[in-house]
Amino acid sequence: QQQVKQSPQSLIVQKGGISIINCAYENTAFDYFPWYQQFPGKGPALLIAIRPDVSEKKEGRFTISFNKSAKQFSLHIMDSQPGDSATYFCAPAKSFGNEKLTFGTGTRLTIIP
Amino acid sequence: DTGVSQDPRHKITKRGQNVTFRCDPISEHNRLYWYRQTLGQGPEFLTYFQNEAQLEKSRLLSDRFSAERPKGSFSTLEIQRTEQGDSAMYLCASSRTPNEQFFGPGTRLTVL
Repeated sequence: QQQVKQSPQSLIVQKGGISIINCAYENTAFDYFPWYQQFPGKGPALLIAIRPDVSEKKEGRFTISFNKSAKQFSLHIMDSQPGDSATYFCAPAKSFGNEKLTFGTGTRLTIIP
Repeated sequence: DTGVSQDPRHKITKRGQNVTFRCDPISEHNRLYWYRQTLGQGPEFLTYFQNEAQLEKSRLLSDRFSAERPKGSFSTLEIQRTEQGDSAMYLCASSRTPNEQFFGPGTRLTVL
């Protein structure tokens, strides 16, 4: 677990604002970079993912930015809504062999009205 | 609802008892994973099946843990002689292609 670090641990953002969560990894063999969203008492749900052949991917209000040389990727949530309040995990993985996800420690996001 | 189901959702047991959890993956998914999540932490990988073959086990999976996936469909995770440190959420995920894993709701285990 030490090889994947997330920041910040918690984040409070006003409704309509931009939420930014960062993930740093060490294993250069990772080639799949997802973000998962988890609500209390539920399993994690895949939110958005990127492969290293692109530096940015956008799906609706969610954007992943990827910096291969820095071994970092981030999640941006535009126009944050109270329903986005959840814990977010980055979980990089390899595409071949054991494709297990290596989860970060999580970021608890709270969107206030 | 991702289509991955887990049973039971909650289990309370006494230390030393055996427990078994079941996971039913999405029907066309040939890959199945088990993870464990403790409070305030991210899920940690336990084991991985492709069809009925168990391809990898984490060092977290001590001799008291065993997992099966007969006929490549549902999977079971058994913990023998439970310890208080086994208290956690046990998550199952399945996928059809590498990486895009869909998680079930989890089984919360409490060992008294």
